[in-house]
Amino acid sequence: IVLTQSPATLSVSPGERATLSCRASQSVNSYLAWYQQRPGQAPRLLIYDASKRATGVPARFSGSGSGTDFTLTISSLEPEDFAVYYCQQRSNWVTFGGGTKVDIK
Amino acid sequence: EVQLLESGGSLVQPGGSLRLSCVVSGFTFSSFAMNWVRQAPGKGLEWVSVISGSGNNAYYSDSVNGRFTISSDKFKNTVYLQMNSLTVEDTAIYYCAKGTWGAGVSQHFDHWGQGTLVTVSS
Repeated sequence: IVLTQSPATLSVSPGERATLSCRASQSVNSYLAWYQQRPGQAPRLLIYDASKRATGVPARFSGSGSGTDFTLTISSLEPEDFAVYYCQQRSNWVTFGGGTKVDIK
Repeated sequence: EVQLLESGGSLVQPGGSLRLSCVVSGFTFSSFAMNWVRQAPGKGLEWVSVISGSGNNAYYSDSVNGRFTISSDKFKNTVYLQMNSLTVEDTAIYYCAKGTWGAGVSQHFDHWGQGTLVTVSS
């Protein structure tokens, strides 16, 4: 299953809303996760099974979608949120999307 | 607190071998699958392999199947990745990642190590 993330880069000002997209080449039901990766760090699980926030993840992060179209929304960007975000499916083996870089506008 | 600590990465020549280790703590080792995920320099994430919490089942990506072997030692709370016939395309940071379930390929990854760098070059 191929996951396509868009846009590749998203330029946003602190305090603004960010909306990231992940589209699957075939249905993954709700078996989709989102990860955040800051420079020089390991990925961190944010959202699993499309909409469930992982332990300790702030409420400004939310996930939605099912089937082939998914969205990660960051309601009000904090300085530490500028990072690369990856989606990942577990419906058929495991694949990751190519990532969306969220940078400062 | 869940912790994962990888080691074993180094510079190796094409065709060579390397064994990575991941020591874990803070959870019941036999209850969760453990995975290796890699990231080539400046690139995205690629799942490599998973081993069930019991250690009885293992799966591999097509890109490493037949060359890499995952194993685990429940007495040492350690997961290993034996990598043979390495090519330059295997150059990456290798992360150990805890799965959200006890078995199977269908996993999300809720805890990650800091990674260990494998460089394949002559």
